[in-house]
Amino acid sequence: LAKTTQPISMDSYEGQEVNITCSHNNIATNDYITWYQQFPSQGPRFIIQGYKTKVTNEVASLFIPADRKSSTLSLPRVSLSDTAVYYCLVMAGNNRKLIWGLGTSLAVNP
Amino acid sequence: KAGVTQTPRYLIKTRGQQVTLSCSPISGHRSVSWYQQTPGQGLQFLFEYFSETQRNKGNFPGRFSGRQFSNSRSEMNVSTLELGDSALYLCASSLGANTEAFFGQGTRLTVV
Repeated sequence: LAKTTQPISMDSYEGQEVNITCSHNNIATNDYITWYQQFPSQGPRFIIQGYKTKVTNEVASLFIPADRKSSTLSLPRVSLSDTAVYYCLVMAGNNRKLIWGLGTSLAVNP
Repeated sequence: KAGVTQTPRYLIKTRGQQVTLSCSPISGHRSVSWYQQTPGQGLQFLFEYFSETQRNKGNFPGRFSGRQFSNSRSEMNVSTLELGDSALYLCASSLGANTEAFFGQGTRLTVV
C-alpha cells in the first residue's frame, strides 16, 4: 500500500493561491490519487481525484507529473472557510484499506 | 438525497463496557468502511463491508468487529472498552471500487 508524505501545516492569506504537495514514491500502476478536506468534528469530504496530468473541478486543481511520484493540490483564491485539514490518499482498485496520514492543516488568515 | 447517517453522534461509556455504533449509507451504496480518528494517529482504517461481506480489515484487535445488513446498513461493535478507544469513529459509503467515498459526521466515543 502506497504511503503518502505531505507537510504537517501551512499558512496562507485570503485571496492567495495555495499549493499542497504530496509525495507517494511507491505508487502502483493502478493507484489513483485522491484528496479530501476535513473540518473539525466532521467527516472528510472528497475534493478531487486524478490518475495523471491535470484534473480541474469547481473547487480545486490536481497536478500529477509524468512519474506520478508526487501530486499537488491547488486551491485558487482561498478564503477563511478553506481552513481545514487536507488529506492526500493513494487508492488502488477495490482495496479500501486506505492509509491516511495526519494530513496538512491549512490555516487561512484574514 | 440523504447523506451518510451515523448514530449516535456522541457517546460516553465506561471502561470494560461494550458499544455498538450504526451507519446508514447513501441509498444505493453497497460499500461501507469504518475508520477510527484520534488526534495523534489520524484516520485509521478498521474494516470495509460490501454486500454483507467483510472485504478488507485493518490492524485492530478482535475487540473491534462489524457487520453489514442486507439493506447495506452497517454496525460496528467494540467490546471491553479501553480508555484508548476514545476517538471519532467515521463511516464512509461508496458505490463500489475506486469510487468517491462519502463520510458521515462520525460518532464521538469517550471512554471514562
